[in-house]
Amino acid sequence: EDQVTQSPEALRLQEGESSSLNCSYTVSGLRGLFWYRQDPGKGPEFLFTLYSAGEEKEKERLKATLTKKESFLHITAPKPEDSATYLCAVQETASGSRLTFGEGTQLTVNP
Amino acid sequence: GAVVSQHPSRVICKSGTSVKIECRSLDFQATTMFWYRQFPKQSLMLMATSNEGSKATYEQGVEKDKFLINHASLTLSTLTVTSAHPEDSSFYICSARRLAQPQHFGDGTRLSIL
Repeated sequence: EDQVTQSPEALRLQEGESSSLNCSYTVSGLRGLFWYRQDPGKGPEFLFTLYSAGEEKEKERLKATLTKKESFLHITAPKPEDSATYLCAVQETASGSRLTFGEGTQLTVNP
Repeated sequence: GAVVSQHPSRVICKSGTSVKIECRSLDFQATTMFWYRQFPKQSLMLMATSNEGSKATYEQGVEKDKFLINHASLTLSTLTVTSAHPEDSSFYICSARRLAQPQHFGDGTRLSIL
């Protein structure tokens, strides 16, 4: 069974204080790993898809990386508007288009 | 691109009422649509997957007769919660995807059953 574990559960940063969020996964075959951002009372907003170990994607202050066992979402010099819950999800080769989500990391960036 | 609209955003109704939630892909044709349920401070739990013109595939433990899914076109899927009870109160979110593209989500429906 697919397992997706995100850490930490919650993270508080000062504005400008860079950090990383972790997503560890266990699947028999990875088709893709996805990062989403979710604001309170809203649906998840797509950020990145990673397909193979060594791949990296960047968008503004965010950079996602992937290894065979985990993915990191690096946040460089965060701003208060980066505050949200960040969700990681995996798509397994044997599961069609289904996604298995982690529990998320709730990020708060204080001004 | 890839905008998904979900309606209504909030529903409050009495126990025993049936509630229909719509999910539309506004600027693309979705080969597959998904319905999720999310409890407070928890992650998304997949309820069912639907492809246009075919029956939905429900996840284990999800009652097919309770949560009716219709996917009549490439841009519209509906979830009907039949004879809703307080324990069905939750945040329901749909998503849609094109082939080989990521899922894009609607903004969810907060369902409260009194």
